[in-house]
Amino acid sequence: DTGVSQDPRHKITKRGQNVTLRCDPISEHNRLYWYRQTLGQGPEFLTYFQNEAQLEKSRLLSDRFSAERPKGSFSTLEIQRTEQGDSAMYLCASSLGTSGKRELFFGEGSRLTVL
Amino acid sequence: AQKITQTQPGMFVQEKEAVTLDCTYDTSDPSYGLFWYKQPSSGEMIFLIYQGSYDQQNATEGRYSLNFQKARKSANLVISASQLGDSAMYFCAMREGDRHNDMRFGAGTRLTVKP
Repeated sequence: DTGVSQDPRHKITKRGQNVTLRCDPISEHNRLYWYRQTLGQGPEFLTYFQNEAQLEKSRLLSDRFSAERPKGSFSTLEIQRTEQGDSAMYLCASSLGTSGKRELFFGEGSRLTVL
Repeated sequence: AQKITQTQPGMFVQEKEAVTLDCTYDTSDPSYGLFWYKQPSSGEMIFLIYQGSYDQQNATEGRYSLNFQKARKSANLVISASQLGDSAMYFCAMREGDRHNDMRFGAGTRLTVKP
């Protein structure tokens, strides 16, 4: 399968614990995005990488969140000291950075539940 | 400010009939792209169709077509000959020019196809 893959698919954690989510984009895609989706809402932009550089961060991304994309390949999203409000589906997407359409290809998401 | 508005939380359509899902957007950028995604219960976001702001003709992709009315800032999705497998959440999204790399999504419309 050459699509975007995310791991874990489901994560249950206790409040205050740290969690790390991983995304493997489509191999030739240089752009990688993280979104958060809560029940009944559309995805909300969190952050974006072009190759290994993190170029944009949303105000939604508090100091407890950190994202990396070492070597411009896979990416990790770490959430420190999780809170119940962090419970959501975290979606990763990748795209090829050409002009025009540049649709995003999404993974199946990591559903995080904070108890 | 809300950039993408989808006013229909839920829609029902009879199998084999056509259905229109509404989307309005707000931007002052003359260059933008509009996207529609489908999200089945499995959670993965599936790209359906794209319309560029400078495209002269309405986009079509198989049973999907986009009714683009630029002056009204609307980009409605038309699904013809609905199938049971079309039952899902549908999201309208916009990317503004090249200054903003994030794609902003509406709240979505849940479509249910009745047999």
